[in-house]
Amino acid sequence: DVKVTQSSRYLVKRTGEKVFLECVQDMDHENMFWYRQDPGLGLRLIYFSYDVKMKEKGDIPEGYSVSREKKERFSLILESASTNQTSMYLCASRPRRAEAFFGQGTRLTVV
Amino acid sequence: GENVEQHPSTLSVQEGDSAVIKCTYSDSASNYFPWYKQELGKRPQLIIDIRSNVGEKKDQRIAVTLNKTAKHFSLHITETQPEDSAVYFCAARGDTGRRALTFGSGTRLQVQP
Repeated sequence: DVKVTQSSRYLVKRTGEKVFLECVQDMDHENMFWYRQDPGLGLRLIYFSYDVKMKEKGDIPEGYSVSREKKERFSLILESASTNQTSMYLCASRPRRAEAFFGQGTRLTVV
Repeated sequence: GENVEQHPSTLSVQEGDSAVIKCTYSDSASNYFPWYKQELGKRPQLIIDIRSNVGEKKDQRIAVTLNKTAKHFSLHITETQPEDSAVYFCAARGDTGRRALTFGSGTRLQVQP
């Protein structure tokens, strides 16, 4: 069974804080992704990575950065959290030509 | 980049009826089209997918059709049951270059018992 695990289920942070969201997968997948999910907007891609230390911007990268130092771990960083970054964040991973598996999500509230 | 439009945003059907959700995509290079189901409070999970060399795929009560010429694909659920109630997302992806799925905005399906 594929496991994609996000470090927190719920998170509350203050405006201006630096926030780290962690994602770990145990299946040696090359590709990892960060999406945010907002009502009526579906899942929007923030960043993805297709190999260690490799990253590409998605559709909404502004205000975010990522880190992939090890194959199994993909971190999303909010450099200076703002209230408009309050959202559900979903991590996903997949091997080369197969389906994507999602983590359970982190609901982030920025106050 | 790719743009995926999904309709309707909400769908209510009676138990036993069929449900159809439609998506269109913009990038003719896209060749992989999965559908994900997300139950309340849970992660999205793949329920069926189709590649561009196939026009239709079926798995029990669920089927997906693809029209590459028109750039649209649809999810069909027959004999709906209350446990089919969830949010459904379509997505599209090409095999070259970008390796990320582009998702539609989602359809909330409610099956009334």
